[in-house]
Amino acid sequence: AQKVTQAQTEISVVEKEDVTLDCVYETRDTTYYLFWYKQPPSGELVFLIRRNSFDEQNEISGRYSWNFQKSTSSFNFTITASQVVDSAVYFCALSRISSASKIIFGSGTRLSIRP
Amino acid sequence: DAGVIQSPRHEVTEMGQEVTLRCKPISGHNSLFWYRQTMMRGLELLIYFNNNVPIDDSGMPEDRFSAKMPNASFSTLKIQPSEPRDSAVYFCASSSTVGEIYEQYFGPGTRLTVT
Repeated sequence: AQKVTQAQTEISVVEKEDVTLDCVYETRDTTYYLFWYKQPPSGELVFLIRRNSFDEQNEISGRYSWNFQKSTSSFNFTITASQVVDSAVYFCALSRISSASKIIFGSGTRLSIRP
Repeated sequence: DAGVIQSPRHEVTEMGQEVTLRCKPISGHNSLFWYRQTMMRGLELLIYFNNNVPIDDSGMPEDRFSAKMPNASFSTLKIQPSEPRDSAVYFCASSSTVGEIYEQYFGPGTRLTVT
């Protein structure tokens, strides 16, 4: 069975602080995809990143970075120098690498950035 | 490029009425997903299609819910009869299994209120 756990329900930090959102997953598959999505207060779900289980290199995109560690089944997301616009619910997700595969979402972490 | 289009954006109806939600996936995408999001249950996958064929409808709550995808560019989710507990935001998402682009792109959602 596949499962994604985001243990942090809510996080609140002051603007410009760095913040890390944790994601732990379970799967029996040897190959899989991991994702992060952002849901801002406006409600839409925005795709942020996809990571293939073959590739354990960390990824950086501006103030965002992702740390994938297969040994601990974790795919953590760090926002550096957070901004108020980063306030949102962030979802980590997992899917098999196969055609017509569904994505399993975690329960989400609500991030609030205080000015 | 147009993203996933959903209509209506908001729907208020009385208990017992039929509700039809509509979705137009991104052109060229061959997988389509219907989700429901509530505070209590989070993001739930209801059903998904691949190449217009339903693959997994195990998330459909009960027989009052039905979904169709008559062609590659249109899908409906119908609730008949509607009940207050169906109140939620319903998201449609699409993805492409061609070229191994498995991330899902979400529509803006339909906020359904059943009174």
